[in-house]
Amino acid sequence: QQQVKQSPQSLIVQKGGISIINCAYENTAFDYFPWYQQFPGKGPALLIAIRPDVSEKKEGRFTISFNKSAKQFSLHIMDSQPGDSATYFCAASMNTNAGKSTFGDGTTLTVKP
Amino acid sequence: DSGVTQTPKHLITATGQRVTLRCSPRSGDLSVYWYQQSLDQGLQFLIQYYNGEERAKGNILERFSAQQFPDLHSELNLSSLELGDSALYFCASSAWQGLVTGELFFGEGSRLTVL
Repeated sequence: QQQVKQSPQSLIVQKGGISIINCAYENTAFDYFPWYQQFPGKGPALLIAIRPDVSEKKEGRFTISFNKSAKQFSLHIMDSQPGDSATYFCAASMNTNAGKSTFGDGTTLTVKP
Repeated sequence: DSGVTQTPKHLITATGQRVTLRCSPRSGDLSVYWYQQSLDQGLQFLIQYYNGEERAKGNILERFSAQQFPDLHSELNLSSLELGDSALYFCASSAWQGLVTGELFFGEGSRLTVL
């Protein structure tokens, strides 16, 4: 049973546009929601993370929006750049072992110049 | 550079064989996690060690085993290999067992190809 569903599978955005990736989770015990960015040939790297006590977190051009009642969270990339082209993974974990994460299947983002 | 080192980067072997993947965590990190990334299943948590002891198990096959040594490096042993075991195997480390940020630092992975 997949506990974190991510969409879309792939996304093409023009330079300067907004990229939006969505995730939905099932387990209400999850309380830590990170997003990871992965470039080809590299391991995933933490981009931004949120806990359910806030509805939004912003770091530079990257924003997480969190809807606890709907059990959904999303990543917004403002002013998308070609250098943002990568695979993005959402994840969810519990505070009892936040490193044991359940990952979404990933979204391949392509930002066209 | 995450500070997590994995070897080998690439490995090609035959069905039925056994391989060992090695991971050195970031300096000072006590927790090591192993994840499998395959084309059709994304990142799947396999197993976690904390300061030498197994702490959590995920979807790890019985043919797979892992351990963490006193110097905190970890090894993932894969035996009786099947074609379906072909995947990227990532090691990640974190400072704590789970609290605080929960941030994982991933290595660059070991790509296993089973022919």
